[in-house]
Formats: sequence, C-alpha cells, structure tokens
Amino acid sequence: DSGVTQTPKHLITATGQRVTLRCSPRSGDLSVYWYQQSLDQGLQFLIHYYNGEERAKGNILERFSAQQFPDLHSELNLSSLELGDSALYFCASSVEGTGGYGYTFGSGTRLTVV
Amino acid sequence: GDSVTQMEGPVTLSEEAFLTINCTYTATGYPSLFWYVQYPGEGLQLLLKATKADDKGSNKGFEATYRKETTSFHLEKGSVQVSDSAVYFCALSGTSYGKLTFGQGTILTVHP
Repeated sequence: DSGVTQTPKHLITATGQRVTLRCSPRSGDLSVYWYQQSLDQGLQFLIHYYNGEERAKGNILERFSAQQFPDLHSELNLSSLELGDSALYFCASSVEGTGGYGYTFGSGTRLTVV
Repeated sequence: GDSVTQMEGPVTLSEEAFLTINCTYTATGYPSLFWYVQYPGEGLQLLLKATKADDKGSNKGFEATYRKETTSFHLEKGSVQVSDSAVYFCALSGTSYGKLTFGQGTILTVHP
C-alpha cells in the first residue's frame, strides 16, 4: 500500500457520460498530480495541484477538469466521454511541489468507455 | 521541451542474467532523474533516483548513474530474478514545475 488511495478501481461507462475519479494523497503530502496511461500515448501528465491551487496543466482536454479540496483530496472529472478516453488514470502525491524528489503513485482507476 | 527515450522492448532474460535498460534524456538545466517500476495491475513505484550529475541511485540490486555528458541514466542489475518481471519507466523532473516526463516504458520478462 503506497498510501495514495484512488477510487474506484474500475469504472465502465457509456459514451457521453460523466464520471468522477477520486484521490486521497499520502498523509502529509500537499501536491497531487494526475496522469493518464494508455497504450498508444504512454503516461501523459494532466494536471498538478499544490495545497488547493492549480500549479501546472499538461495535456488535459477541456472536457476534463480537476480540483483539490481543503482536506487535500482531489477529484478528476471527465465529461462527454469518448471511446478514446478509455485508459488508466493515476493519481500521485508528493510533500512538495517541484517533482524533484519523485512522487508516490496510487494504484489507478481503470476507465472503460463503451 | 523535455523528453525521455528508452530502449525498445520487450526484453526477455533468463534468471541470473545481467540487465541493462538504456535511457537518454533531453532537458535544459539540471533535471532530476528517476526509474519507476510497474508490476501487473499496480501503480508505479519509485525504484531509484539521482538528483545531480554523477550521482548513482541504487535500490534492490538495481543501479543507475546520472551521466550529464551523455545525457543518460541507464538501469542495470547484475542478476535478475523472475520477480523482477515488470514494466520499467525512466523519468525526469525538468523545466516544467512539478511535472515528471516519462519514457515509453520497457517490458522486462525474466524466465526461470
């Protein structure tokens, strides 16, 4: 157990729907990062929050949004889902925000859009 | 921008063989470098890291040395085990605050 908790582990939904993925960072970590892992794109950085504030955005679609709450958990919202959004979505956390010391990853949410 | 290139896989070895997975990077400044490992059905685990040139990261028999002159961070292990079968990712923390840039991953399979 890495200490980073992601729920749900698996999600199957239809095209056009909206889903919310949840992440609780490791105790004491202020930064949360979201990544998408797919076979064709590899690991793609989506977004980074530090202590409730958005710090960096990567290849995140406009249909996707995220936030980090005062208790530091984070949610990734995916809407108007398409087949191509099927992927593993990872959350990671770190105590600081530079990424220079690496992250701790959760076990991921596998999203299947049918 | 930052980028990481790993050797193409998959890599198939017999138990006790020597392992090398090549990783080269492109980044400005002095990035931190990492190797992560992903076992089937799990998230990525930090295997080792190096934060400055000539540093050697090591863990569980794996080693990698930060070579700035060749912009490389090759992963090595002297004697692999079946339990080392996994996907290995090289990554860097460079110019984009907080973001890790990952290579495409190398699948390692070790046979008894």
